[in-house]
Amino acid sequence: DSGVTQTPKHLITATGQRVTLRCSPRSGDLSVYWYQQSLDQGLQFLIQYYNGEERAKGNILERFSAQQFPDLHSELNLSSLELGDSALYFCASSAVGLGNTIYFGEGSWLTVV
Amino acid sequence: GESVGLHLPTLSVQEGDNSIINCAYSNSASDYFIWYKQESGKGPQFIIDIRSNMDKRQGQRVTVLLNKTVKHLSLQIAATQPGDSAVYFCAENSHMDTGRRALTFGSGTRLQVQP
Repeated sequence: DSGVTQTPKHLITATGQRVTLRCSPRSGDLSVYWYQQSLDQGLQFLIQYYNGEERAKGNILERFSAQQFPDLHSELNLSSLELGDSALYFCASSAVGLGNTIYFGEGSWLTVV
Repeated sequence: GESVGLHLPTLSVQEGDNSIINCAYSNSASDYFIWYKQESGKGPQFIIDIRSNMDKRQGQRVTVLLNKTVKHLSLQIAATQPGDSAVYFCAENSHMDTGRRALTFGSGTRLQVQP
């Protein structure tokens, strides 16, 4: 158990809908990262937050957004969902930032139908 | 469920043999590297990391070697066990377009351990 908690574990929704994925980082970790893993794309970095502020941005679509709250948990919002958004979404956390070990949660499996 | 691409390179070894998984990284400015293990349906699990001021680092049954000259990273697993069967990813910190760094992953190698 990495200590990173993600909910929900599985989610099935229809195209055009909006979902929110939630992540609780390891106790004491200030940085939260979101990754997308699909069959043909591998692990793709989406976005990083550090202590409530956006720190780095990867290939995150404009339809997606995220935030980190004062209690350090984070949410990833996916809107106007398309079939191609079906993937595993991982949250990870680290104590400060890169250079510190990054631990991953078990992922949220999103299926868009 | 399946969590990685369908066309991963696969390394098949016999139980008890040593395994060597290779990774070529892209960014010569990367200064921190991590190996992760991912079992089916689970999140990536940290194995070992290395900073660019080192050439080698050893853990329990695992060794990471870094060759900065050719931008090559390898993971050696000693006395491979069936429980080592998984997909292995190398990751490097690299600059995003914004100038910030983020951990980017290689495409992965599937390790199959034959009993």
